[in-house]
Amino acid sequence: QQQVKQSPQSLIVQKGGISIINCAYENTAFDYFPWYQQFPGKGPALLIAIRPDVSEKKEGRFTISFNKSAKQFSLHIMDSQPGDSATYFCAASRGTSGSRLTFGEGTQLTVNP
Amino acid sequence: GAVVSQHPSRVICKSGTSVKIECRSLDFQATTMFWYRQFPKQSLMLMATSNEGSKATYEQGVEKDKFLINHASLTLSTLTVTSAHPEDSSFYICSAGGANYGYTFGSGTRLTVV
Repeated sequence: QQQVKQSPQSLIVQKGGISIINCAYENTAFDYFPWYQQFPGKGPALLIAIRPDVSEKKEGRFTISFNKSAKQFSLHIMDSQPGDSATYFCAASRGTSGSRLTFGEGTQLTVNP
Repeated sequence: GAVVSQHPSRVICKSGTSVKIECRSLDFQATTMFWYRQFPKQSLMLMATSNEGSKATYEQGVEKDKFLINHASLTLSTLTVTSAHPEDSSFYICSAGGANYGYTFGSGTRLTVV
């Protein structure tokens, strides 16, 4: 019930393309769904997050799509750039700061020039 | 925005010695601190959760006597790896949670035990 499953494990996209990463969760008590970007040797950095009361949230080139009935959410990176090459993690939690985050397995994104 | 400072970024220590990693929330009060461990090409694995002034809650399989966590103030938490061994070599990351600030991660500490 605490799992968050993420796919694909790795993704290669051409510059300017759209990168799509998917996550599925089981625990219906989760109410906070963030996406993190991690570069090698660095801690994760929050990219964008969504609550289950909205189906989509967009910030710049990054969009989260959320499907509550299917218990799925995805990250779309529009106009992908080589600088976006990193590992992306989806996560879920109950609340936004005091409860543990449950992470997906991660997606290694490579954007070719 | 919320900033969490983690030090040191890299540390090499001899087997059998102890290493302390500090995590500070610079501009907010961190009511909850989370400590993670990450192996290469893997996800973050939660080791323990601590609330200011309380004993840490350790995840199953994490030795609390080996990984000592102290959260004595709302801005500082420390993780001490005691009697470190090569298998403790890993990337350790802290995360601070505070009202209205979400989860903010430190930059991580690469521990190498030789």
